[in-house]
Amino acid sequence: EVQLVESGGGLVQPGGSLRLSCAASGFTFSSYWMHWVRQAPGEGPVWVARIHTDGSSTDYADSVKGRFTISRDNANNTLYLQMNSLRVDDTSLYYCTRGGDAFDIWGQGTMVTVS
Amino acid sequence: QAGLTQPPSVSKGLRQTATLTCTGNRNNVGYQGAAWLQQHQGHPPKLLSYRNNNRPSGISERFSASRSGNTASLTITGLQPEDEADYYCLVWDSSLSAWVFGGGTKLTVL
Repeated sequence: EVQLVESGGGLVQPGGSLRLSCAASGFTFSSYWMHWVRQAPGEGPVWVARIHTDGSSTDYADSVKGRFTISRDNANNTLYLQMNSLRVDDTSLYYCTRGGDAFDIWGQGTMVTVS
Repeated sequence: QAGLTQPPSVSKGLRQTATLTCTGNRNNVGYQGAAWLQQHQGHPPKLLSYRNNNRPSGISERFSASRSGNTASLTITGLQPEDEADYYCLVWDSSLSAWVFGGGTKLTVL
């Protein structure tokens, strides 16, 4: 079964850090671009970051540039999001999702609360 | 800013046809078209269409997407109660080098 499972969310104070993980299974992880998308309660989804299949290229939303770092471990089929200098407005459900231009597989998300 | 515009809400009757729109500019919708995702409350988004009208396996033919200029559209025929959900367009913006979601349309099936 193709699956993405996020973990690492929690409650953190403003200015703090968290590292999210996304474990992939059921597909050739190293063949796909991967993304992080977040969604605040009652709001629409917002794209956060993406990473090339081999990790050689990354892009970020302006709102997280310089604070968040996306990375991947293809040997262990895992995607990461290192989040530093967290702000109250980073509070969201964070999803990892697969794809280049087709965000076709989504995890259930991990909740990050900054307060 | 990408400035994607989706109507906040659309209401249609059972078995009717709904057309949802997403208006952007030449750097996003006009550049590469849009993907469409459906989201039910408490669930992650679900991809319905990408690159304008490619449907992932398992997605009903009742969902079809198109593009005209800087406006992308998602047409849902034969509306069913389970189609009641939030619908988002998603585009790559070449000027921002970023993916951008539209604000979403809440579809109500009467």
